[in-house]
Amino acid sequence: EDQVTQSPEALRLQEGESSSLNCSYTVSGLRGLFWYRQDPGKGPEFLFTLYSAGEEKEKERLKATLTKKESFLHITAPKPEDSATYLCAVQEGNAGNMLTFGGGTRLMVKP
Amino acid sequence: KAGVTQTPRYLIKTRGQQVTLSCSPISGHRSVSWYQQTPGQGLQFLFEYFSETQRNKGNFPGRFSGRQFSNSRSEMNVSTLELGDSALYLCASRKQGAADTQYFGPGTRLTVL
Repeated sequence: EDQVTQSPEALRLQEGESSSLNCSYTVSGLRGLFWYRQDPGKGPEFLFTLYSAGEEKEKERLKATLTKKESFLHITAPKPEDSATYLCAVQEGNAGNMLTFGGGTRLMVKP
Repeated sequence: KAGVTQTPRYLIKTRGQQVTLSCSPISGHRSVSWYQQTPGQGLQFLFEYFSETQRNKGNFPGRFSGRQFSNSRSEMNVSTLELGDSALYLCASRKQGAADTQYFGPGTRLTVL
């Protein structure tokens, strides 16, 4: 059974204090790993898709990386508007297009 | 380009009733998936529809069902509502490629009293 574990569950940062969120996964054949951002009461907003180990993608203050067992979402010099829950999801090769989500990391950035 | 839309946004029902939620995918997207999000279980996959056919189903009881129309719009139905069905129900649409990104709608917040 696919397993996706995100850590930490919650992270409190000062504005400008860089950090990383972790997503560990166990799947029999990874088709894709997805990062989403979710604000309270809203649907998840797509950030990145990673397909193979060694791949990296960047967008503004965010950078996502992927290894064979985990993915990291690096946040550089975060701002208060980066406060949200960040969700990681995997799509396994034999599971159709179903996404298996981790529990999320709730990020709070204080000014 | 308009995003995924879901109606209604909020719904209050009582136990034993049934409910129908609607989802309109992004134009050109043919696949629609449904997810349930609760504080305790997080985001869990319900089912996926493509070309009016259910392609995949999650581990939910038969009270949860869905369908897709020829214009790719989808509905999900929950019969005999239970208190535990209170959740945010999210719809996601995808073009049709093997690992195309799924884009989520704003969700329907269902409260069962």
